[in-house]
Amino acid sequence: EAQVTQNPRYLITVTGKKLTVTCSQNMNHEYMSWYRQDPGLGLRQIYYSMNVEVTDKGDVPEGYKVSRKEKRNFPLILESPSPNQTSLYFCASSTLGGATNEKLFFGSGTQLSVL
Amino acid sequence: AQSVSQHNHHVILSEAASLELGCNYSYGGTVNLFWYVQYPGQHLQLLLKYFSGDPLVKGIKGFEAEFIKSKFSFNLRKPSVQWSDTAEYFCAVVEGGSYIPTFGRGTSLIVHP
Repeated sequence: EAQVTQNPRYLITVTGKKLTVTCSQNMNHEYMSWYRQDPGLGLRQIYYSMNVEVTDKGDVPEGYKVSRKEKRNFPLILESPSPNQTSLYFCASSTLGGATNEKLFFGSGTQLSVL
Repeated sequence: AQSVSQHNHHVILSEAASLELGCNYSYGGTVNLFWYVQYPGQHLQLLLKYFSGDPLVKGIKGFEAEFIKSKFSFNLRKPSVQWSDTAEYFCAVVEGGSYIPTFGRGTSLIVHP
């Protein structure tokens, strides 16, 4: 089954304790991205990747890191989490059809709380 | 920078009412347009998309959207909503040649049975 798998679904942590949210897709997609969803602000892109070893900042990259060492994986790293990073996070992937994205496939989300 | 506006933040309807959700974008060139739906507790999934051709596109579950280039709009419609349509709806725009979708803030739809 084609899917984007995120782990964990729920995470509670404390300020400053490094964490990683994993994302894996089994569709051989070139494009992967991370979003955060906050009430009233919709979805905002954190980072995206066009292919292995190619990453770029989205709209709200501060406080986050990513890596793309393998095509299927795109982990999101918070080196020193802060309470303002409490949010619902989604990973998404797609092919790069023609000159633009085909539809995005989303993971189930990770609800992060930073105390 | 590209911006996407969804003017209706919260919509409450009774079953069988008609629905129209607005979406406007700021980019003047070629665009690809999407509507995604997020049912309670679930991830986003594609409702419909427009790349080219007929500006009236039909999606899943009876939804349709019309691209009006002169108005920079891509409004979502459904003639008769159901309780199961209760969800959050997001409009997204990708500029032609870009790979970065810009999402609107979303519209929360509640349908009363």
